[in-house]
Amino acid sequence: AQSVAQPEDQVNVAEGNPLTVKCTYSVSGNPYLFWYVQYPNRGLQFLLKYITGDNLVKGSYGFEAEFNKSQTSFHLKKPSALVSDSALYFCAVRVSGSARQLTFGSGTQLTVLP
Amino acid sequence: DGGITQSPKYLFRKEGQNVTLSCEQNLNHDAMYWYRQDPGQGLRLIYYSQIVNDFQKGDIAEGYSVSREKKESFPLTVTSAQKNPTAFYLCASSTPSVRPEAFFGQGTRLTVV
Repeated sequence: AQSVAQPEDQVNVAEGNPLTVKCTYSVSGNPYLFWYVQYPNRGLQFLLKYITGDNLVKGSYGFEAEFNKSQTSFHLKKPSALVSDSALYFCAVRVSGSARQLTFGSGTQLTVLP
Repeated sequence: DGGITQSPKYLFRKEGQNVTLSCEQNLNHDAMYWYRQDPGQGLRLIYYSQIVNDFQKGDIAEGYSVSREKKESFPLTVTSAQKNPTAFYLCASSTPSVRPEAFFGQGTRLTVV
């Protein structure tokens, strides 16, 4: 079985400050990890993924995430938050080599305050 | 432009009725998926299909049905057996052997009236 936990339902940060959205996972096997963003009443947009290699992955809109195998974490980060980053963020996992689709966390609402 | 199109954007259903949500993709993806989104619960997998004329149940398949007669299309029927169908439904597609991430449509919001 595979699962994803996003321990914070809500994260508030001031514009210009760094932001972190937390994600931990559980899988049997090597994980593929993903971050998606969702704006109100819209579908999910892909931000970035970790497959293998460098533990720090960079994605769209200045976001990055760090894979930590020992802590089974994949936290999303951005050095300087923008008000337009305010949205719902989802972490997801899939086992490498598995045909089964992604398992998602429950989501974290990020609010960037001006 | 390539993408995934879901229709309609909003759908209202009377209790006891079946309704069908459309999902079409022109990305030439092999696999297609249906998710249900409820507030605070993330996305839950309803059905997925890895190839034409084949599909598998996800975690919450009861009260739903699908078909995959064409590679581009994966319609979802919400039957009267689904006890609480009001939700936001998302369709996705991918070719896992090429790119493991999935791409999503814009969603259909279904409300039972």
